[in-house]
Amino acid sequence: AQSVSQHNHHVILSEAASLELGCNYSYGGTVNLFWYVQYPGQHLQLLLKYFSGDPLVKGIKGFEAEFIKSKFSFNLRKPSVQWSDTAEYFCAVNALMDSSYKLIFGSGTRLLVRP
Amino acid sequence: EAGVTQFPSHSVIEKGQTVTLRCDPISGHDNLYWYRRVMGKEIKFLLHFVKESKQDESGMPNNRFLAERTGGTYSTLKVQPAELEDSGVYFCASSQEDWGYGYTFGSGTRLTVV
Repeated sequence: AQSVSQHNHHVILSEAASLELGCNYSYGGTVNLFWYVQYPGQHLQLLLKYFSGDPLVKGIKGFEAEFIKSKFSFNLRKPSVQWSDTAEYFCAVNALMDSSYKLIFGSGTRLLVRP
Repeated sequence: EAGVTQFPSHSVIEKGQTVTLRCDPISGHDNLYWYRRVMGKEIKFLLHFVKESKQDESGMPNNRFLAERTGGTYSTLKVQPAELEDSGVYFCASSQEDWGYGYTFGSGTRLTVV
């Protein structure tokens, strides 16, 4: 069955530290990959997405992610985090299943950035 | 452009009661999705409307859940009767295309069944 795994459930960093959140997926077809973020009290927002082309994609707020097809991975990175990056991050795959596209999410990673 | 609106933002009901959640998608978005996150686990697909028609309801957990989309505009998700395991956050999303390019999510409804 299609699935998305996020290996880190909770991450605590100090400001200016580098961030890497792991995401692996299990899906045999062509994939569209996403990272969403949910800041406290807000709605899910799209950070970045990969459809095709350059496997290194850049998103908002200095985030980037690299699609490595051979490893079925789409890890999220940021060189220097800020306190305002405290949020929950979700990796997702858009898969064609049961005749319609739907997002399959990982279980999320809660990031706490200490000032 | 107004976003996807969900209400209520929070609902606390007793087991056995009925609750109706509402989602107003972005105007012009034919595709409307319901997702649910239970107990801090992954966000899971419930169903997908295209206009007023149910395109895919494979994620609906059981027949206590009923979703409708009147006239292809807003959608409601009714849980009747609610059970404890229905507690969670219910998200709605809308898009113009059905292949996930432009999903916009609402802020969710947190449902607590006691």
